[in-house]
Amino acid sequence: DAKTTQPPSMDCAEGRAANLPCNHSTISGNEYVYWYRQIHSQGPQYIIHGLKNNETNEMASLIITEDRKSSTLILPHATLRDTAVYYCIVRVGYGQNFVFGPGTRLSVLP
Amino acid sequence: ETGVTQTPRHLVMGMTNKKSLKCEQHLGHNAMYWYKQSAKKPLELMFVYSLEERVENNSVPSRFSPECPNSSHLFLHLHTLQPEDSALYLCASSQGTGRDNEQFFGPGTRLTVL
Repeated sequence: DAKTTQPPSMDCAEGRAANLPCNHSTISGNEYVYWYRQIHSQGPQYIIHGLKNNETNEMASLIITEDRKSSTLILPHATLRDTAVYYCIVRVGYGQNFVFGPGTRLSVLP
Repeated sequence: ETGVTQTPRHLVMGMTNKKSLKCEQHLGHNAMYWYKQSAKKPLELMFVYSLEERVENNSVPSRFSPECPNSSHLFLHLHTLQPEDSALYLCASSQGTGRDNEQFFGPGTRLTVL
């Protein structure tokens, strides 16, 4: 799996957009970008994933650069309940599984 | 609620005990996984089952023994564990194991080995 790099921590004001960056400069053409989050001591929660195009769902938007070397997860209106560790993962092919790095600890502040 | 349940949520056991962790998924998925998350460490994949067959074992010690009797249930049998095995054990499932399959995680079992 391609290696990802994320900032260890970020703060965001409640009600503002949270933009979480991820670098994956060694990503190859068939690797998907996945985002998960983990609230303290709970199981990771799937957020969104994409290959080339930008994606949006009820939780977040995923913006992937044209060269696919980086991406940004956007939480449009962060709430206190969005405080969690956010993991960016790239994944390829059959039998290849998620490798979780240390992630970004997002703190949403009132 | 992700559709993946795990029992028990908390377990304390001695090093000579034998216990089992249970995972059940209600999503109709074909693949199931066990992960381990130790304090201040990233999640580590332990086992992968696809269509009830083990397809991956990430060099896990034999004191951890998985069992997948059907596509909805996954067990992790524990025996003669060590204190360093204390961790959060997470189960996940996915429709398949291909690259376009997100995994859904259960809440985990917090295991303490005394």
